[in-house]
Amino acid sequence: SSELTQPPSVSVSPGQTARITCSGDVLSKKYAYWYQQKSGQAPILVIYDDTKRPSGIPERFSGSSSGTVATLTISGAQMEDEADYYCDSTDISGDQRVFGGGTKLTVL
Amino acid sequence: EVQLLESGGGLVQPGGSLRVSCAAAGFTFSDYAMSWVRQAPGKGLEWVSGISGSGGHTYYADSVRGRFIISRSNFRNTLYLQLNSLRAEDTAVYYCARGFIDGLDIWGQGTRVTVSP
Repeated sequence: SSELTQPPSVSVSPGQTARITCSGDVLSKKYAYWYQQKSGQAPILVIYDDTKRPSGIPERFSGSSSGTVATLTISGAQMEDEADYYCDSTDISGDQRVFGGGTKLTVL
Repeated sequence: EVQLLESGGGLVQPGGSLRVSCAAAGFTFSDYAMSWVRQAPGKGLEWVSGISGSGGHTYYADSVRGRFIISRSNFRNTLYLQLNSLRAEDTAVYYCARGFIDGLDIWGQGTRVTVSP
């Protein structure tokens, strides 16, 4: 299966660690990618190849992957991190990309 | 500055056609595969289509295969998506993004397509 499953919502207090999971069989063979989308804006890439952070993304964003579960961790979440977060990957054949359903992160 | 700028969205009737475009700047366009991703109102992201840097290989989501056509002009640094046989469920903001297999690292601001009588 190429489906990716995320929790609909995660809430943390400012300064706490937020963890968002993404599960799917394909993740045991393919990399996970994570995107942040703030209200009314286009998505931006925050993690690629499971664990790598693009330039300009704060160090508090990190990624990990084990088996069929990838995790986005925001250490010391800030109010500005409130957004929808999406994981994605490719299907087994590499001919399509597939997104998770998205997780709304609330920091309050 | 690396930039993607979509255009061509609008209101179209069910069964109609539309072509959206994405102008790229700030990088060597032909070196990169490109993708289209859409987002229906209040919904999540859905990958729609991808194309190799040369344009020789194209890829489609099952939901649009046979109706949409992706293409590119490396001379004009522009990506296209031809939307045919449009349905109400194709109503969405359409984003172009740089990349395909290795993730989508740069996104445009999107163009809105509304399919309605």
